[in-house]
Amino acid sequence: GAGVSQTPSNKVTEKGKYVELRCDPISGHTALYWYRQSLGQGPEFLIYFQGTGAADDSGLPNDRFFAVRPEGSVSTLKIQRTERGDSAVYLCASRLGVNSPLHFGNGTRLTVT
Amino acid sequence: GEDVEQSLFLSVREGDSSVINCTYTDSSSTYLYWYKQEPGAGLQLLTYIFSNMDMKQDQRLTVLLNKKDKHLSLRIADTQTGDSAIYFCAESGNRKLIWGLGTSLAVNP
Repeated sequence: GAGVSQTPSNKVTEKGKYVELRCDPISGHTALYWYRQSLGQGPEFLIYFQGTGAADDSGLPNDRFFAVRPEGSVSTLKIQRTERGDSAVYLCASRLGVNSPLHFGNGTRLTVT
Repeated sequence: GEDVEQSLFLSVREGDSSVINCTYTDSSSTYLYWYKQEPGAGLQLLTYIFSNMDMKQDQRLTVLLNKKDKHLSLRIADTQTGDSAIYFCAESGNRKLIWGLGTSLAVNP
C-alpha cells in the first residue's frame, strides 16, 4: 500500500481482556517498529523487527505484551490481561533501512475500561 | 544517556516565522528528524537532515544543525493556521529513534 496501515483505528476493551493490534508496513520496508504514545508525551519505543525477528524488544513493558511478524511483513502486537494503564495510542512505523526515516501509521487508540 | 529536549510551547502570529529548537545528546546520531502531529493523527515526517550537513531547506521549512552544540532547529516561514500542531524532534540513536516531548505550536490569526 501507499503508507503504513494500522487496524483497528480505535479499540475499546474491558480490563482483563486480550487484544490484538495489526500493522501493515510499506511494501519493501524490512524494519518495523511499535511505539506507544500517551497524551502529552512523545512516542515510547516498544519493539523493533528486522525481517521476521525481533531485533530489540527492550521497550516492552512486561510479559503481557508480545509482538510477532511471522512473514516479515504484517505485524501483530498482542496484549494479554489488559489494564487501564495500557490505554494509549499504539503507533506502528516502518523504514527501508537503518538510516532511513520512519514512516508512521495513524495509530490504534486503545481504551481499557 | 541519550536525551532530546525541546521547549513545550510556542505561539506565533499568522504570517510570522516560527522557530522550534531542539537539543540532543548522542553525538553519533546519523540523521535528525522533524515530525509533525496534528490532533488525533499519526506522526508525519516533515524533514530530516544528515549529520554532516549544516542546513537543509525545503519550501517553507529550513532546518539548521549545529553539531558542535548538538542543537537542531526548524524554521517555518510564513506560518499558517494549518501549521498548528505538535512538532517532534528525533535523533537516530541506537536504531530506535530518541524522541523529544514535542513542541506545541499555536498560530494566532
